Amino acid sequence: RKEVEQDPGPFNVPEGATVAFNCTYSNSASQSFFWYRQDCRKEPKLLMSVYSSGNEDGRFTAQLNRASQYISLLIRDSKLSDSATYLCVVNKLNTGTASKLTFGTGTRLQVTL
Amino acid sequence: NAGVTQTPKFQVLKTGQSMTLQCAQDMNHNSMYWYRQDPGMGLRLIYYSASEGTTDKGEVPNGYNVSRLNKREFSLRLESAAPSQTSVYFCASSEGPARQPQHFGDGTRLSIL
Repeated sequence: RKEVEQDPGPFNVPEGATVAFNCTYSNSASQSFFWYRQDCRKEPKLLMSVYSSGNEDGRFTAQLNRASQYISLLIRDSKLSDSATYLCVVNKLNTGTASKLTFGTGTRLQVTL
Repeated sequence: NAGVTQTPKFQVLKTGQSMTLQCAQDMNHNSMYWYRQDPGMGLRLIYYSASEGTTDKGEVPNGYNVSRLNKREFSLRLESAAPSQTSVYFCASSEGPARQPQHFGDGTRLSIL
């Protein structure tokens, strides 16, 4: 089983729609959680961190359920510019000086007119 | 502000050839990382350097070596390239080993024939 699992999509939605992505992680020792965005043939960029209480950044809302080991991302009022691949990322703190990120394979979103 | 700069952007090698991928960051970050991204696999950590003078193996280190030349530069070397190393390689940096975000370079597309 992969450490971080995502539905690869693609999710095809019309402009203005609300869309939600889910992600599950297998390691209960995971400490912190993030959503990154990756445009086609570009580098990943941090979209937002995910906090236990849930958090919002404009049209984007992230939720974490530690008991179910489940993370979600909700995008409201989708824009054409939201078309990208969304990567679920989990950070497991190791003993020692460094921690390592584990990336999901991503969920592709295509927003259409 | 250049951020993270990778060279080269594209490279084609023959099996058995060697090459070094260069990465430099101008953000005074302590930690640097090398990832590879393959279809259906997500980003996988090859090596990382939590701070200047230290390097550690990631998830897929076999066939690679790294050098943290100074605080700015972190290079990845393929000693004897194999077709299985055909991939997109991303370098990233962060303020510290557990700090977000990781800032990524725009990648090196490497093909091994």
